[in-house]
Amino acid sequence: AQSVTQLDSQVPVFEEAPVELRCNYSSSVSVYLFWYVQYPNQGLQLLLKYLSGSTLVKGINGFEAEFNKSQTSFHLRKPSVHISDTAEYFCAVSDQGGSEKLVFGKGTKLTVNP
Amino acid sequence: SQTIHQWPATLVQPVGSPLSLECTVEGTSNPNLYWYRQAAGRGLQLLFYSIGIDQISSEVPQNLSASRPQDRQFILSSKKLLLSDSGFYLCAWSRGQGSTDTQYFGPGTRLTVL
Repeated sequence: AQSVTQLDSQVPVFEEAPVELRCNYSSSVSVYLFWYVQYPNQGLQLLLKYLSGSTLVKGINGFEAEFNKSQTSFHLRKPSVHISDTAEYFCAVSDQGGSEKLVFGKGTKLTVNP
Repeated sequence: SQTIHQWPATLVQPVGSPLSLECTVEGTSNPNLYWYRQAAGRGLQLLFYSIGIDQISSEVPQNLSASRPQDRQFILSSKKLLLSDSGFYLCAWSRGQGSTDTQYFGPGTRLTVL
């Protein structure tokens, strides 16, 4: 079984500042890794995913994430945030040899202040 | 292009009343379908997962049930709602191509049980 830990439930930052949202996972098998974003009162949409290859993955809206197998981490970063990035961010994993079912973390609420 | 619809958008129901939430997907065939519940501070909990008509697996024991009367229709039901059923219910679909698949989420239904 897999589990996902998002270490920060809330992250407040000022506009144009850099941000890092942390994600660690635990699994006895190899996993694929995902970051989803949820804007207020909406469904989730995919930001990026790591399947294989380069450990640095670039996604939409200027976000990127780096897979670190030794630290079992998949932290999300953006060098300069905008007010419009205010949302909840979810890290998720799926079992490489299993079904499409995702295991989600509890989410990190990013608030970008002017 | 594919779209996913959920209705109603919001619902307020008394304890002990029945529930029916509907989800439909357009623009694809034979999708995998998912029902999630999102409660405050608890992330996303997978409730039901379906790979085809009459092929539904329940992920957690509860007083909810799911049905898939048509290929692209997924219904979440309850005979008697509990206070603990309150939350944000999200439907999602994927192409059924394995654990690298992206899940696409609907706009959600906010259910309040009083």
